[in-house]
Amino acid sequence: RKEVEQDPGPFNVPEGATVAFNCTYSNSASQSFFWYRQDCRKEPKLLMSVYSSGNEDGRFTAQLNRASQYISLLIRDSKLSDSATYLCVVNRGNTPLVFGKGTRLSVIA
Amino acid sequence: DAGVTQSPTHLIKTRGQHVTLRCSPISGHKSVSWYQQVLGQGPQFIFQYYEKEERGRGNFPDRFSARQFPNYSSELNVNALLLGDSALYLCASSLEGVNFSPLHFGNGTRLTVT
Repeated sequence: RKEVEQDPGPFNVPEGATVAFNCTYSNSASQSFFWYRQDCRKEPKLLMSVYSSGNEDGRFTAQLNRASQYISLLIRDSKLSDSATYLCVVNRGNTPLVFGKGTRLSVIA
Repeated sequence: DAGVTQSPTHLIKTRGQHVTLRCSPISGHKSVSWYQQVLGQGPQFIFQYYEKEERGRGNFPDRFSARQFPNYSSELNVNALLLGDSALYLCASSLEGVNFSPLHFGNGTRLTVT
């Protein structure tokens, strides 16, 4: 089993839709959690950290459920510019970041 | 301020050759990490250096090596290239050596091995 697993996608949604991505991690010692965004043929960029109490940044909401070892990302009012691959990332403190395979999102006009 | 810079941006090599990839971190960042991203996959950790010392190594063969210089720039070397080494090689810098520091990635070097 991979350490970080994500919905494979692709997700094709119309503009204005709400879309949710899920991610599970296998190591209960994981301490830090992030969502990165990667545009086609570009480098990954940090979208947001994920905190235990959940956190929101504009149209983006991240949730963490430590008991279920589950992370989610919700995007409201999708824009064309949200089209990208979303990478779920975890680490266990003194180990390097572990990236999921990514979920591809296409927002359609 | 300049972000993480990598060179070259693209590279084509043949099997058996050697390649050196270069990375300059964001000014003030002391940690550099290298990742390999094969098409359709997430980045896979290769090495991390902090203050010129290796802090971690991923599950890659000894053909892969790296180092960090006094100015915190870094090189990734790959010997005896295989077709399967074709990938996007990403360098990332962070302020500290601890792994909950956000990573800032460079644009990557796209390596094609023929």
